[in-house]
Amino acid sequence: QVQLQESGPGLVKPSGTLSLTCAVSGDSISSSDWWNWVRQSPGKGLEWIAEIYHGGNTNYNPSLKSRVTISVDKSLNRVSLNLTYVTAADTAVYYCARDHDHGDGTWAFDIWGQGTMVTVSS
Amino acid sequence: EIVLTQSPGTLSLSPGETATLSCRASQSFDRKYLVWYQQKPDQAPRLLIYAASSRATGIPDRFSGSGSGTDFTLTISRLEPEDFAVYYCQHYGSSLWTFGQGTKVEIK
Repeated sequence: QVQLQESGPGLVKPSGTLSLTCAVSGDSISSSDWWNWVRQSPGKGLEWIAEIYHGGNTNYNPSLKSRVTISVDKSLNRVSLNLTYVTAADTAVYYCARDHDHGDGTWAFDIWGQGTMVTVSS
Repeated sequence: EIVLTQSPGTLSLSPGETATLSCRASQSFDRKYLVWYQQKPDQAPRLLIYAASSRATGIPDRFSGSGSGTDFTLTISRLEPEDFAVYYCQHYGSSLWTFGQGTKVEIK
């Protein structure tokens, strides 16, 4: 059974860096899946942040690209997210999600972590 | 970048009724890149439908997806109490994922 567990500081100061990790169990980070971060501001919809393949290929949301870095640690089987120069607008629940190939090039986020709330405040 | 517009914003229905949710794209795309999720309060999203019409593992057959081009639909037949939630469509293209703004299905 594949499980994703996000962790990180619940509170980050404005202009600081938000750093999150997603521990993957039941699947190898080096499988054929892509690994994603998605966030949801309070009372709002879902916003895709970034994705990474274990080989190092990455894709970023253009609106966040200048401040975001996604990475994998194969030895620890986890995915990390760094978001710099945070503001109150970055306050959200941050989810990691597995992007899985369901065959014939059809992909979807089939496994999600429970999410971790991050508040940006002084 | 393709923009997904979901309608209506809120759908008020009674258990047993049928919900019809729309997801309209700003440009046409291959239906294999259209996905639907369900999200309940304080829970992570749950995959329902991928490739516009394929149900994910464990999803009841009262959930069905259809559409092509720019117009996609999620239909929930015979609404059960646990189906009242927010539903999002999602698209992949040009190396990025985008979500619609969501449709809330609430109990009337």
